[in-house]
Amino acid sequence: GQQVMQIPQYQHVQEGEDFTTYCNSSTTLSNIQWYKQRPGGHPVFLIQLVKSGEVKKQKRLTFQFGEAKKNSSLHITATQTTDVGTYFCAGGSSGTYKYIFGTGTRLKVLA
Amino acid sequence: GAGVSQTPSNKVTEKGKYVELRCDPISGHTALYWYRQSLGQGPEFLIYFQGTGAADDSGLPNDRFFAVRPEGSVSTLKIQRTERGDSAVYLCASSPRPGAGGHEQFFGPGTRLTVL
Repeated sequence: GQQVMQIPQYQHVQEGEDFTTYCNSSTTLSNIQWYKQRPGGHPVFLIQLVKSGEVKKQKRLTFQFGEAKKNSSLHITATQTTDVGTYFCAGGSSGTYKYIFGTGTRLKVLA
Repeated sequence: GAGVSQTPSNKVTEKGKYVELRCDPISGHTALYWYRQSLGQGPEFLIYFQGTGAADDSGLPNDRFFAVRPEGSVSTLKIQRTERGDSAVYLCASSPRPGAGGHEQFFGPGTRLTVL
């Protein structure tokens, strides 16, 4: 079945450093969503990408969807302690509203 | 406005018992998802409702799991003959009427199920 992997699994950065997490799907996606889950919390929607090669920015966050629509990345510039949490990608496929979540990247930011 | 609510927040049960987990989606949201999340893992898709019908139940692990949404709003996830391996956080998410390319999911706080 469809699998969605993320790397790295964990990332510790010093506050102010950049951070990137990568998401790879075993199948072509119709769209991809990104979520953030704080420790003890529930996933919170960040963004959705639909078009091949699409790039979207939200303040210090930059999201990219690959040309083949099988991979995506989230880049955070100048991390802050408020960025702590686990970042998940979730892949959607054509003809279904089912989403497959990635394995997640847990980010720790050291002040 | 009110978000997605789930009850109970915690449920402890014994192996072999029956449990029901409830989800109240955001008013007006037609799409509803159930996921299961184990510690350190991403949410695992269980079932998707569009209105009252289960449009995709391919994630239900076996026939001990069943979910209903009789009036297109509140949903109940039912687990029969619980097993220790069913212990996890069960998350519910709702979405507004779907548009092209998918739609944002609003998650509830989850129900933590512990099977002893």
